[in-house]
Amino acid sequence: NAGVTQTPKFRILKIGQSMTLQCAQDMNHNYMYWYRQDPGMGLKLIYYSVGAGITDKGEVPNGYNVSRSTTEDFPLRLELAAPSQTSVYFCASSYSGPSGGSPLHFGNGTRLTVT
Amino acid sequence: SQELEQSPQSLIVQEGKNLTINCTSSKTLYGLYWYKQKYGEGLIFLMMLQKGGEEKSHEKITAKLDEKKQQSSLHITASQPSHAGIYLCGANTSPTSGTYKYIFGTGTRLKVLA
Repeated sequence: NAGVTQTPKFRILKIGQSMTLQCAQDMNHNYMYWYRQDPGMGLKLIYYSVGAGITDKGEVPNGYNVSRSTTEDFPLRLELAAPSQTSVYFCASSYSGPSGGSPLHFGNGTRLTVT
Repeated sequence: SQELEQSPQSLIVQEGKNLTINCTSSKTLYGLYWYKQKYGEGLIFLMMLQKGGEEKSHEKITAKLDEKKQQSSLHITASQPSHAGIYLCGANTSPTSGTYKYIFGTGTRLKVLA
């Protein structure tokens, strides 16, 4: 089982460049999430989706955009990269969300450096 | 302040020793999840607890949710180098249906000395 697949694993961007982090899951999960993990700071929610065509902002959405055209895919777009976006990005999914008692399943992360 | 407090923040133990990691919330936990993360990898789901007093085990790792559903402990028996990594607790603190938000602690970094 592939689970949650993220690409790329590593990326270095120059300030002002843009990129898309890809995320795909093959578990037919409705809920999908993007988090960033900074050292010693835990996980911060960027955007989430409760189903195809539905997305909403999390705690730290500025500088990012998402789309959810299919159940499987949830790409994260960075526009005009800034050094503050240097972080490890995790995509995650769950079947019915926290109120349904479903745990999150995580991808292996994308380590992004903006210089 | 963090909604989920983990302690200790880091831990170094000799191989073969037992250890406990705690995860504490000021709110009722309606679902508590334990994850393990190795450097450069994603978070691997270990266990989920929902009922007060519930206890689950997998190999040498046991997790428990207290009766009040505000604290969980993760206990590792006879630790091995393969147990090293970051242990993260995650939770749902909303009793209502339709909630989307999971909250997370900041993690406990475990090192096991051979």
